Amino acid sequence: GESVGLHLPTLSVQEGDNSIINCAYSNSASDYFIWYKQESGKGPQFIIDIRSNMDKRQGQRVTVLLNKTVKHLSLQIAATQPGDSAVYFCAERFTDKLIFGTGTRLQVFP
Amino acid sequence: EAQVTQNPRYLITVTGKKLTVTCSQNMNHEYMSWYRQDPGLGLRQIYYSMNVEVTDKGDVPEGYKVSRKEKRNFPLILESPSPNQTSLYFCASKAAGEGNTEAFFGQGTRLTVV
Repeated sequence: GESVGLHLPTLSVQEGDNSIINCAYSNSASDYFIWYKQESGKGPQFIIDIRSNMDKRQGQRVTVLLNKTVKHLSLQIAATQPGDSAVYFCAERFTDKLIFGTGTRLQVFP
Repeated sequence: EAQVTQNPRYLITVTGKKLTVTCSQNMNHEYMSWYRQDPGLGLRQIYYSMNVEVTDKGDVPEGYKVSRKEKRNFPLILESPSPNQTSLYFCASKAAGEGNTEAFFGQGTRLTVV
């Protein structure tokens, strides 16, 4: 696969545990915040988004939390599985542009 | 099948030789964008387009050109490639408007400039 994350922060979790990936964003005027997952050799794929007037949104096995006071976004993955191993990017939508963070590598070990 | 198609997937070229990376989407999306991905730097936006004949610079536009003559196509042009443009490039598209945050990405183009 593509070696796109040689210097990324890495989170290692045991299969079955919960994972929490954090992100700091920069623009208070962004109207949506989004999480993407990038598996090796592929382009990023949408996971979940949250509107700026919300503080929590749940999907299937994932929860996104937004703290606008400290400009912080987190992605929680319940019961992490080997297939969750990937690089995770947060992104913010500002005037219909998508601005991405640097990414976090999630490694799941048995 | 809804998809974004980039070509080529891999390209090795020499400094100064003009090249074009094509991007096509079949979802009738208004918004298209090019990103480059480098280790530790995430996805940095090169250019984006809100619709046909409308293009804008992203964060790292130097050395690149784009055009949007048709809604489905958004080629990336490197007039005179240099080694610092060696990178992994992604094209993406999404629908415009309120609530539309899901961008669809191509498979990527690995460019090496020697």
